[in-house]
Amino acid sequence: NAGVTQTPKFQVLKTGQSMTLQCAQDMNHNSMYWYRQDPGMGLRLIYYSASEGTTDKGEVPNGYNVSRLNKREFSLRLESAAPSQTSVYFCASSPQDRYYEQYFGPGTRLTVT
Amino acid sequence: AQSVTQLGSHVSVSEGALVLLRCNYSSSVPPYLFWYVQYPNQGLQLLLKYTSAATLVKGINGFEAEFKKSETSFHLTKPSAHMSDAAEYFCAVSDRNSWGKLQFGAGTQVVVTP
Repeated sequence: NAGVTQTPKFQVLKTGQSMTLQCAQDMNHNSMYWYRQDPGMGLRLIYYSASEGTTDKGEVPNGYNVSRLNKREFSLRLESAAPSQTSVYFCASSPQDRYYEQYFGPGTRLTVT
Repeated sequence: AQSVTQLGSHVSVSEGALVLLRCNYSSSVPPYLFWYVQYPNQGLQLLLKYTSAATLVKGINGFEAEFKKSETSFHLTKPSAHMSDAAEYFCAVSDRNSWGKLQFGAGTQVVVTP
């Protein structure tokens, strides 16, 4: 099993450019999440999807959009990247009835110049 | 809103010594509590969880944590550190009525010296 996969692993953007981070899971989980990790701040929830067809804002949603494409895939889009969005982005998935048992992907390291 | 504080951003322990990582939460109602571990260049893994009445929780790799309501704490311990325990550890909290939302602490980096 691949678990949770994320693409790309690294990305450099210029301010104002757009991009989509892809995430897929093969564990048949209903729930998926996007986090950002910044030094000294732990992980902060950007958006989550409790089940296919639903998405909700987390703690820091501004500047991001998400799409739950199907049960397996959950993408994160930056429409107009800003230097403040330089971070490491993690996708995670979980069973719907055990949301705290989250399985994380390897992360995408994004730099916005 | 729930919050969690981890005391110490870096901890250095000798191989074979006790590992103690501190976590305190802010809530008048006991929340769900978790410890996650992040090895270099990887995502986080769930180490252990407190979601029921048992206050002493055992996790993977010999770690355990004790929930103490009177101290609003959930400290993580391991009796004897191994080199492979070098990683970053995150305490997380969730309100029992707040599905899906984990609030993570800032993390504690553990270095194990020979």
